[in-house]
Amino acid sequence: EAGVVQSPRYKIIEKKQPVAFWCNPISGHNTLYWYRQNLGQGPELLIRYENEEAVDDSQLPKDRFSAERLKGVDSTLKIQPAELGDSAVYLCASSFRGPGNTIYFGEGSWLTVV
Amino acid sequence: AQSVTQLDSQVPVFEEAPVELRCNYSSSVSVYLFWYVQYPNQGLQLLLKYLSGSTLVKGINGFEAEFNKSQTSFHLRKPSVHISDTAEYFCAVSPQGGGFQKLVFGTGTRLLVSP
Repeated sequence: EAGVVQSPRYKIIEKKQPVAFWCNPISGHNTLYWYRQNLGQGPELLIRYENEEAVDDSQLPKDRFSAERLKGVDSTLKIQPAELGDSAVYLCASSFRGPGNTIYFGEGSWLTVV
Repeated sequence: AQSVTQLDSQVPVFEEAPVELRCNYSSSVSVYLFWYVQYPNQGLQLLLKYLSGSTLVKGINGFEAEFNKSQTSFHLRKPSVHISDTAEYFCAVSPQGGGFQKLVFGTGTRLLVSP
């Protein structure tokens, strides 16, 4: 069975340019997460979806970040415009709904803003 | 709110030696506990988790962890490490109840295994 799939794996852009990341979760998982991992740090939650509804986006910088999960399956995370401080790994993850369920992570999208 | 402290940013160890990676947490509510491993240029993979029951939890690749409620700790151990265990290890907690899963991670411990 396929795991969480993310693309692109690596992206280098100039500051002020837009960038988008795509995520396909594990089939049947209704909860989808986007985490950001800065160098040398643990992942931090940006947004959590239950099906197509964003139920926790308190850590998402809404002035430049946006996300969507159309039809409750795939998701896209967009940054516009990108800043130097956005350089990080963006991790998508999915799980079945409910506490205690294992959260499965994709390999991440590595963003470098120059 | 929850927080996780991994005091050791890096742990060097020789191959076949035992290792312990420390994790302490703080939470006003009961939590579930997790250890994830991240190999270079890869995502996170679950090693083990504690939900309830026996406080000694066994995971993949020969790792185990023990939940100590009084000390709010969940230390990870392996009796004999291999070169292939070199990776970043993250401890995480998630609040029980609330009907959802929300992981809060520590800053990670880099395990460096040398011959």
